[in-house]
Amino acid sequence: DAKTTQPTSMDCAEGRAANLPCNHSTISGNEYVYWYRQIHSQGPQYIIHGLKNNETNEMASLIITEDRKSSTLILPHATLRDTAVYYCIVRPRNTGGFKTIFGAGTRLFVKA
Amino acid sequence: EAGVAQSPRYKIIEKRQSVAFWCNPISGHATLYWYQQILGQGPKLLIQFQNNGVVDDSQLPKDRFSAERLKGVDSTLKIQPAKLEDSAVYLCASSFPPGLAETGELFFGEGSRLTVL
Repeated sequence: DAKTTQPTSMDCAEGRAANLPCNHSTISGNEYVYWYRQIHSQGPQYIIHGLKNNETNEMASLIITEDRKSSTLILPHATLRDTAVYYCIVRPRNTGGFKTIFGAGTRLFVKA
Repeated sequence: EAGVAQSPRYKIIEKRQSVAFWCNPISGHATLYWYQQILGQGPKLLIQFQNNGVVDDSQLPKDRFSAERLKGVDSTLKIQPAKLEDSAVYLCASSFPPGLAETGELFFGEGSRLTVL
């Protein structure tokens, strides 16, 4: 079973920030928070990951609470192309011996 | 850099027939995954390989599904016989070996869409 809880769907206006929350209250000390997104008819694509510090890359920012029990993915200026399903996953960074389990994700609709 | 290659992209079969999907991971990636994604749901892990050994296949319906990864490179997922509920997209992914992962991210192929009539 997935170790994360996300809202089923969210709307966002084009050009505004999209804030996608994720709860992971049972996260372990060695587990990272990963975000992927899946655009229609494509495989999931990695966005960003973090352990406990906030992270930013060219795609998004990741804010992790101090107790690490929840996080928020921020798309600073959402575009229509950001309409997708976003998955939050917790897992150790070492992929070899650990399963990567996806939940149902959040379906983000960016509207013009 | 070439991505994860999967074939065929689409397959339509009748129930009780068999089907096979092929995956070629990114060169040097030791971990390979097969996921099943039913319409409207998140990907479900079927099997995970580390080189040519199985890490986890607890969600693989072994009475009809089989997977192999000979020589620790490409992999084949087979369904025999197929049922209506097997209609889904079958996604293959790969990742770096343990200890060498810069990010620990999974790289996905575009998937193989199966329709069982």
